[in-house]
Amino acid sequence: DGGITQSPKYLFRKEGQNVTLSCEQNLNHDAMYWYRQDPGQGLRLIYYSQIVNDFQKGDIAEGYSVSREKKESFPLTVTSAQKNPTAFYLCASREDRGAKNIQYFGAGTRLSVL
Amino acid sequence: KQEVTQIPAALSVPEGENLVLNCSFTDSAIYNLQWFRQDPGKGLTSLLLIQSSQREQTSGRLNASLDKSSGRSTLYIAASQPGDSATYLCAVGSYNNDMRFGAGTRLTVKP
Repeated sequence: DGGITQSPKYLFRKEGQNVTLSCEQNLNHDAMYWYRQDPGQGLRLIYYSQIVNDFQKGDIAEGYSVSREKKESFPLTVTSAQKNPTAFYLCASREDRGAKNIQYFGAGTRLSVL
Repeated sequence: KQEVTQIPAALSVPEGENLVLNCSFTDSAIYNLQWFRQDPGKGLTSLLLIQSSQREQTSGRLNASLDKSSGRSTLYIAASQPGDSATYLCAVGSYNNDMRFGAGTRLTVKP
């Protein structure tokens, strides 16, 4: 089955703790993205990576960190510096098929603060 | 910076009705526009993709149109069904691969 797998589905963070959200894809896509979704708002870009070993900050990168050591994996760490981490986090990868530019999404991780 | 707005925020219709969801964007220099469906607590599923050179795309009961000059796209759903109940998101893609999302329209189709 080809696709994007996010884990865990639900995650709880204690104050002062760093937590890591996993995103794995077997679609052979070069570009991967992390978005944050809050109720009543559109998706906001946290970080993105166009190729392995390279990543760029999005609009709301503060309090988050990423790595891209393998093409298939793009984990997101929510650090203790992120004071309002409760949200739904979505990972995506991008297919560049000819002139098309399509993003495919995982099922998401819901992060809550204990 | 591209701003994407979706109106209405929520819509409730009886089964069988035809309906239109609206998406507007501020910068007409777009690469493509994509409509997604999101079920509660789930990821996004792509419904239709319109390239900047196209005016519309159709898939089954869904038809999406694009008018770049006016900064608008509409998603038309024919003969709505309860299974169409979900949040519909519009996303505008730019030439630098940036993608901007609207806040979505939450659709409820009542049996």
